Amino acid sequence: GQNIDQPTEMTATEGAIVQINCTYQTSGFNGLFWYQQHAGEAPTFLSYNVLDGLEEKGRFSSFLSRSKGYSYLLLKELQMKDSASYLCAVRSSGGYNKLIFGAGTRLAVHP
Amino acid sequence: ETGVTQTPRHLVMGMTNKKSLKCEQHLGHNAMYWYKQSAKKPLELMFVYNFKEQTENNSVPSRFSPECPNSSHLFLHLHTLQPEDSALYLCASSQTAGVATGELFFGEGSRLTVL
Repeated sequence: GQNIDQPTEMTATEGAIVQINCTYQTSGFNGLFWYQQHAGEAPTFLSYNVLDGLEEKGRFSSFLSRSKGYSYLLLKELQMKDSASYLCAVRSSGGYNKLIFGAGTRLAVHP
Repeated sequence: ETGVTQTPRHLVMGMTNKKSLKCEQHLGHNAMYWYKQSAKKPLELMFVYNFKEQTENNSVPSRFSPECPNSSHLFLHLHTLQPEDSALYLCASSQTAGVATGELFFGEGSRLTVL
């Protein structure tokens, strides 16, 4: 089967660093995406990894290890506005853009 | 205008009603998608359209009927729904539906409640 696991909830303090993990088992792999979704809003794209290693984009970084079926999203210098759900999604094989999503990690940032 | 617009934002319907959800994208994309988001569950892909042609129906019950008249518009026609169909229905678009395409752009969703 196809499965993507990520923690349900996390809490962190403003100004701190938090790491959200994602493990996956899918039929084929064509890239891993991270999306941010604030309550009542559209998911918005954060990062994309297709090769092993770290991709850095401002306060957000994403890491991928294809051999381990593992990714993480690292958020630095946390701000209150970072309180949101973070969705991990894998593009499986099959000839077209089919994303399989995890259930999301709800992050609460406290002062 | 935001990139992907969905209407209505909220919809309450009875099990015998017929209603439609509408999605419009202003990004010049050629692929459009319907996803279902239920509480504490992963987004579920329902349908994919690429250049107006349906390329994926993810075993969706026939009470959900999609329509894609052109690359900018996507509809989801609803009839004789069940209470368990209550969810947030998200529309998304991407440049194409190929595996090398970029990220999905999502609308804000239509919150559906079936009584």
